[in-house]
Amino acid sequence: EAQVTQNPRYLITVTGKKLTVTCSQNMNHEYMSWYRQDPGLGLRQIYYSMNVEVTDKGDVPEGYKVSRKEKRNFPLILESPSPNQTSLYFCASSFRQGSSYEQYFGPGTRLTVT
Amino acid sequence: LAKTTQPISMDSYEGQEVNITCSHNNIATNDYITWYQQFPSQGPRFIIQGYKTKVTNEVASLFIPADRKSSTLSLPRVSLSDTAVYYCLVGDRADYKLSFGAGTTVTVRA
Repeated sequence: EAQVTQNPRYLITVTGKKLTVTCSQNMNHEYMSWYRQDPGLGLRQIYYSMNVEVTDKGDVPEGYKVSRKEKRNFPLILESPSPNQTSLYFCASSFRQGSSYEQYFGPGTRLTVT
Repeated sequence: LAKTTQPISMDSYEGQEVNITCSHNNIATNDYITWYQQFPSQGPRFIIQGYKTKVTNEVASLFIPADRKSSTLSLPRVSLSDTAVYYCLVGDRADYKLSFGAGTTVTVRA
């Protein structure tokens, strides 16, 4: 089954404790992206990657890191989480050419930082 | 990225047709119009995409006038399960910086 998976689905952590949210897709997509969703603000793009070893900032990259060492994986790293990073996070992927708007989204990761 | 404006919310009843209009006055020549649907606590799902005139699939229709400064997503005969947030996105399909606004919350009542 074609899908985007994220782990963990739920995470409660404390300020400053490094964490990684994993994202994996099995559709051989070149393009992957991370979003955060907050009430009243819609989805905001954090980082995106056009291919292996190619990443770039979205609208809200501060406090986040990403890496793309393999085509299928695109982990989101919070080196020192803060309470304002409490949010619902989505990973997405798509083919690169001509269809970057036809994205497949993962189920989401709800993160709480206390 | 072209800025889009869509209503914050809409109410409807089962069996009715729901039309959501999105304004995008500064749409560029290479821009496409794309709509997504999001159910609570789920990731958005691609619904439909178009460039001009009309596009129809098994889920919805997308109407785009000749000037392309607006577009209308039409959901025929909605059911309770169509209650969701609908997002309108406008941009070049080769763009990689996508922008979702707050979307339109559609509530379908029995």
